[in-house]
Amino acid sequence: AQSVTQLGSHVSVSEGALVLLRCNYSSSVPPYLFWYVQYPNQGLQLLLKYTTGATLVKGINGFEAEFKKSETSFHLTKPSAHMSDAAEYFCAVSENNFNKFYFGSGTKLNVKP
Amino acid sequence: DTAVSQTPKYLVTQMGNDKSIKCEQNLGHDTMYWYKQDSKKFLKIMFSYNNKELIINETVPNRFSPKSPDKAHLNLHINSLELGDSAVYFCASSQDWTGNTGELFFGEGSRLTVL
Repeated sequence: AQSVTQLGSHVSVSEGALVLLRCNYSSSVPPYLFWYVQYPNQGLQLLLKYTTGATLVKGINGFEAEFKKSETSFHLTKPSAHMSDAAEYFCAVSENNFNKFYFGSGTKLNVKP
Repeated sequence: DTAVSQTPKYLVTQMGNDKSIKCEQNLGHDTMYWYKQDSKKFLKIMFSYNNKELIINETVPNRFSPKSPDKAHLNLHINSLELGDSAVYFCASSQDWTGNTGELFFGEGSRLTVL
């Protein structure tokens, strides 16, 4: 069975500070891993994904995430937060060759001026 | 030119009523989904259709009935609405069933409130 745990339902950072959103997963097979972002009153949009290959993946808006198999983690980072980054972020996992996604409960990022 | 569009965006109704939410995608994708997002923001898959064929049917009450008249449309009909059905329902699509692209495209959500 697969599951996703996002530590911290709310994270608050100052503009310009490092953003770190944590995601741990459990999977019985090599996983595909994703981060999605949800702005208020909108659907989710893909930020980045890991399927195979390089474990450090870069996404849109300066975000990146690193797949660490030994830690079963896929934490999302951004060196310098911008006000426009304020949103809800969801980590998701799916099994190879299946489009069944399991989502974490989300982390709301607040960016202070 | 919205890729995945769902209607209505907001729906307020009484317990016991029947309601439908419609979803259409213009991306040419083969696979469509319904997800339910509860008040704690948990997103859980309900159904998935690939080329009009049901492929995922999670443990969902049979008051919920999806219908896919063609691969560009996936509608959700809910009978005898209950208070616990209040949530945001998201339609999504993906290129195909194989998972090779690994990306879901979401609609903006339909917020259902049952009074």
